[in-house]
Amino acid sequence: EVQLVESGGGLVKPGGSLRLSCVASGFTFSNAWMNWVRQAPGRGLEWVGRIKSKTDGGTTDYAAPVKGRFTMSRDDSKNTLYLQMNSLKTEDTAVYYCTPWTAVRSLDYWGQGTLVTVSS
Amino acid sequence: DVVMTQSPLSLPVTPGQPASISCRSSQSLLHSDGDTYLSWFQQRPGQSPRRLIYKVSNRDSGVPDRFSGSGSGTDFTLKISRVEAEDVGVYYCMQGTHWPLTFGGGTKVEIK
Repeated sequence: EVQLVESGGGLVKPGGSLRLSCVASGFTFSNAWMNWVRQAPGRGLEWVGRIKSKTDGGTTDYAAPVKGRFTMSRDDSKNTLYLQMNSLKTEDTAVYYCTPWTAVRSLDYWGQGTLVTVSS
Repeated sequence: DVVMTQSPLSLPVTPGQPASISCRSSQSLLHSDGDTYLSWFQQRPGQSPRRLIYKVSNRDSGVPDRFSGSGSGTDFTLKISRVEAEDVGVYYCMQGTHWPLTFGGGTKVEIK
């Protein structure tokens, strides 16, 4: 059974930093391209970024609103995905989900998400 | 970026009646490999999203057959043949053909 457990969310002031983690199980994490998707309170889903598997280069790609401020990384030995978020803005307030990219170019499994609140 | 436009925003439905949600993309979602990568997700109140449909019309395991997807190019539809109370929630389309991934704004299905 696939499980994705996000953690690390919390309350942070504008301009602050936070690191999110996502521990994955039930699939071969090292082969997976992983994504972060976020959802602001009462709003829709927004793709944040993607990291390829190391086999495919391990490169990252980010949505325009977070480029230059957020950094994704992975530790395949721990089946863990990370999202380092710097220079946080109030508009970054959202539930953050990690989700693997599938062979059918979709997102099939989702964790419970972790809430990030950016407020003074 | 590909813009995904869903309609309607809100869909009140009587139980047992059909429902239909439209999703339109600003560019064709036909990939160079010949497939079209359009997915549908259901998000029940207080829950994480759950995928229902991938590649336009393929139902995920465990998804009731009252859900069906159709369409091509830039025009797609999710249909619920007979709405049940458990179908209440917000439905999103998502395109996976082009990076960045983009989602529709969502359609809220509610029971009349």
